Amino acid sequence: NAGVMQNPRHLVRRRGQEARLRCSPMKGHSHVYWYRQLPEEGLKFMVYLQKENIIDESGMPKERFSAEFPKEGPSILRIQQVVRGDSAAYFCASSPRWDSGSNTQYFGPGTRLTVL
Amino acid sequence: DAKTTQPNSMESNEEEPVHLPCNHSTISGTDYIHWYRQLPSQGPEYVIHGLTSNVNNRMASLAIAEDRKSSTLILHRATLRDAAVYYCILRESGKSSGDKLTFGTGTRLAVRP
Repeated sequence: NAGVMQNPRHLVRRRGQEARLRCSPMKGHSHVYWYRQLPEEGLKFMVYLQKENIIDESGMPKERFSAEFPKEGPSILRIQQVVRGDSAAYFCASSPRWDSGSNTQYFGPGTRLTVL
Repeated sequence: DAKTTQPNSMESNEEEPVHLPCNHSTISGTDYIHWYRQLPSQGPEYVIHGLTSNVNNRMASLAIAEDRKSSTLILHRATLRDAAVYYCILRESGKSSGDKLTFGTGTRLAVRP
């Protein structure tokens, strides 16, 4: 079974450009989560999506960041007009069902974004 | 949200058992105790979770205090590959707030050969 896949693994952008990060959940998983890890800091929750719905975006910056999980295809985390402070590792996780207390989240290898 | 407290760092010798403690004195009756770890330059990895009873799996054991105010992750024989940051996380059952994982600073485990 393939695990959670993220691409690209490394992404370099110049200030002002757009960054698109993709996440393909494990087969059969319909719940996707995005987390960000800034350099020398811990992992922070960003957004939780189910197919075609955003369930919790309480950790998303109010501007320039958006996420989607369409009926077909991977989940996309989009960052518009990137700034140097967006440089971080972005991790996607998936889970098969909603049972918040006991379910397990499976993480991808992450996308490391560098903004020049 | 219930909080957890872990030591910043611990050291172990290879092939010896490791006991990683976690305090969660404000835990509620519906909070599950989860452990994840993050190896260098990798995404977090699920280790184990439990509610009230001790749990065992192929990776580790989880010992939960009777009052549930603390727990201990036990690695029975540490290997060099176990060097990672270990996170103890509480997740509230039945509420959407329990969906996201709230990572603290974790315990950085170093394993000496």
